[in-house]
Amino acid sequence: SSELTQDPTVSGALGQTVRITCQGDILRKYYPSWYQQKPGQAPVLVIYDKNNRPSGIPDRFSGSTSGNTASLTITGAQAEDEADYYCYSRDSNGDRWMFGGGTKLTVL
Amino acid sequence: QVQLVQSGTEVKKPGASVKVSCKASGFTFTNHFMHWVRQAPGQGVEWVGIINPSGDWTNSAQKFQDRISMTRDTSTSTVYMEMRSLTSEDTAIYYCATDHSNSDSSAWWLDPWGQGTLVIVSS
Repeated sequence: SSELTQDPTVSGALGQTVRITCQGDILRKYYPSWYQQKPGQAPVLVIYDKNNRPSGIPDRFSGSTSGNTASLTITGAQAEDEADYYCYSRDSNGDRWMFGGGTKLTVL
Repeated sequence: QVQLVQSGTEVKKPGASVKVSCKASGFTFTNHFMHWVRQAPGQGVEWVGIINPSGDWTNSAQKFQDRISMTRDTSTSTVYMEMRSLTSEDTAIYYCATDHSNSDSSAWWLDPWGQGTLVIVSS
């Protein structure tokens, strides 16, 4: 089966642009979705279907894919964006799905 | 509003089974596949399994295949996940989530998620 690899930690200054990446060969075939999880809460969808945001998600969140790497970009990171972020995709091996290992974002 | 409401905390002994429920409201339940995802303490999220809209097809991660059952009751818009032969490694929060997809763009996403059910396995 495939794998999705994320950096365990990413940090950026308040107001700066931060990028969280997700690598995997399956991303050449499928677009991932992205989830934000704050402590004690369920994950929340932030980006889906290439680069779409659910209602209520600020437009500073955007998604892109190039080759085997997908990126979640936060343009002008805010303190409330500190959270864990996960990418998610269908697996190449049958009707299964998978998550990346997650990235903990710290906004300095 | 669109929401998934899960059953409450479960405490089980090793070797026991647990059945978690997830009741949907605010959307057409019979139009959607439903997933289960779990998160062990301090760990990332892990995909557990999926059930189709009619409930006659399921699939799960390889590691759970021989000890998990997923069902759904369309009359109550509820999905269930039963896991057998529990060990301490199954201690986790279990989430249900609603599947969406776009076959044109080959994209899948989960929204909304239930609030989670804590399953504790301890002797």
